[in-house]
Order: sequence, then structure tokens, then C-alpha cells
Amino acid sequence: NAGVTQTPKFQVLKTGQSMTLQCAQDMNHEYMSWYRQDPGMGLRLIHYSVGAGITDQGEVPNGYNVSRSTTEDFPLRLLSAAPSQTSVYFCASRPYGVTNTGELFFGEGSRLTVL
Amino acid sequence: QQQVKQSPQSLIVQKGGISIINCAYENTAFDYFPWYQQFPGKGPALLIAIRPDVSEKKEGRFTISFNKSAKQFSLHIMDSQPGDSATYFCAASRTFKLIFGAGTRLAVHP
Repeated sequence: NAGVTQTPKFQVLKTGQSMTLQCAQDMNHEYMSWYRQDPGMGLRLIHYSVGAGITDQGEVPNGYNVSRSTTEDFPLRLLSAAPSQTSVYFCASRPYGVTNTGELFFGEGSRLTVL
Repeated sequence: QQQVKQSPQSLIVQKGGISIINCAYENTAFDYFPWYQQFPGKGPALLIAIRPDVSEKKEGRFTISFNKSAKQFSLHIMDSQPGDSATYFCAASRTFKLIFGAGTRLAVHP
């Protein structure tokens, strides 16, 4: 069982370039989210979704777009990358509703460097 | 504005000792307080969690102590082992947003 799969694991971008970080989960979880992890700042919520077609902003949404067309996939788009977006990005999912214990299941991360 | 404050940033403990990590929160609407453990190169994984209607929860060597009136909670790792060396994050949530502390890097020396 794959759980939460993130691609790519590593990426280097130039300032102004665009890219999409992919996230897929095979646990039929309704809730999915994206976090960024920076030294000394913990994990900060970027965007989240509680189901297909429903997304909302987290703590640090600026510079990022998301969409949710299927239950399985939740891609994160950087439209014009900036050096401040250099970070490790984590996708996480959990059930929503009666089966929700609160536990988030994380992918292994995508390390992004913006030059 | 940091909604969940965690201390210390780093902690060194001898094998067999007790590791204590503290967190404080501001939003009284939070109703779920988990601790996550992260090893290098991996995503965080749930270690233990507590709801505000109990003051303590123990799972093996790991204990959460919760003080609702002080808006504080802490993680105690008894009989710390080198395999416990990792980064630990406290967090707090209500509904859909799980807010993390800044993390504590724990090193357990043999």
C-alpha cells in the first residue's frame, strides 16, 4: 500500500519559472493538505481540501494554487517561483467524517530549490 | 503570529533519561492536540494525541500532559533511547486546520 505519494522528490527552479508538485493518495481520504517545512518554523499549512471541487486557504497561501478534481489527487502549483519558496513541501491526507481520528498521513516530501 | 509555541528548539538527553518538550497555544477553540515524530528525510508521523477533556494520556514510554487552564501541553519520553532521536512537533487543531509548533530536535546520546 503506497499511502501518500509525492513527486518529484527534488526539484531546482529558476526565479519566475512555474511548476506543479504532485500528490496522490490511495486511501480514499476526503481531506488533503499541503504544508511547507522551513528550519525553525515548523510546518505551515498552505492549502487544504475536504473533497473534490472544494479547496481553501491555510496559513501561507500566497504564491500557490491548488485544485481538486478527484479524490486521489491534490496538485500544488507555483505559478512564478520565488527564492522565498525554497522549502520542503509535504502533502498529507486523512479521512473526513465518522472515520476521522484526526491523524494526518504524510508523504515523504518534495524538496524545492528556487535560484 | 505563532499560534502554537514550542520549546526547546533542541534537546540533548542521555540514554535512559527523560525528555520533556513543552508547547503553549493561544486559541481556546483548539480541540485536538497531537505530537508528530519526524526522522531525517521522512514525513512526520503521528506519535500520540490528546483531546482537551483529559489531563494525561500515556502510550508506552510516551506521555502527554495537558493543562487546559494554562493552555499548555507537554510530551514526556521516559527511558529515552537513541532510536528516539528525531524532530518532534506539537500541533493543535480545530476542524480542518492543523497548526504546528516550530519543532524540537531531540538527540539521545548512548
